[in-house]
Amino acid sequence: GAGVSQSPSNKVTEKGKDVELRCDPISGHTALYWYRQSLGQGLEFLIYFQGNSAPDKSGLPSDRFSAERTGGSVSTLTIQRTQQEDSAVYLCASSSDRGRAFFGQGTRLTVV
Amino acid sequence: AQKITQTQPGMFVQEKEAVTLDCTYDTSDPSYGLFWYKQPSSGEMIFLIYQGSYDQQNATEGRYSLNFQKARKSANLVISASQLGDSAMYFCAMRENSGYALNFGKGTSLLVTP
Repeated sequence: GAGVSQSPSNKVTEKGKDVELRCDPISGHTALYWYRQSLGQGLEFLIYFQGNSAPDKSGLPSDRFSAERTGGSVSTLTIQRTQQEDSAVYLCASSSDRGRAFFGQGTRLTVV
Repeated sequence: AQKITQTQPGMFVQEKEAVTLDCTYDTSDPSYGLFWYKQPSSGEMIFLIYQGSYDQQNATEGRYSLNFQKARKSANLVISASQLGDSAMYFCAMRENSGYALNFGKGTSLLVTP
């Protein structure tokens, strides 16, 4: 696609449920990043993937969070047993090698 | 340790004036890239400008310029002739060439007043 695509754009879920957030990066981009942004706050790094290398998971806040990237393209961020503090906008970005990162529009997650 | 520091949580500037948004960074990697992004209230992240650590000249993109002082490890964004549409959050980011992590500062909220 022309840009980074994230789905869904909005997700409301009940506390305790699992959610999956999807990111479709720009074709050919080797690096893919996930960030979390709480209301009025900065970008909190979660995880990044670079080519076939092992992902850097150092930013994942708990073991309820996991992510995978299949075939070096689409990525899914999974949050298990969601909590209210997981409510935030989840942003995905991709870049070609060390170029500028292009961001998706984000998924706004609300846990009720 | 915080790699990117933006010390101004909020800034005001009058329309048509210039404004400088501060960013300092911390790295021992001799090769790195610095980025500025704008995030308006719509939430999208808009790339503004890039500076490589070995670039000899300060980067410029239209009304945006980057005041890069390598010895001081600062990469301040200068916006000239501010417009009302410049009101947004501004984030500074760095990527060290030894890795791929892209680290962001906490951002500065800029409000341009008529």
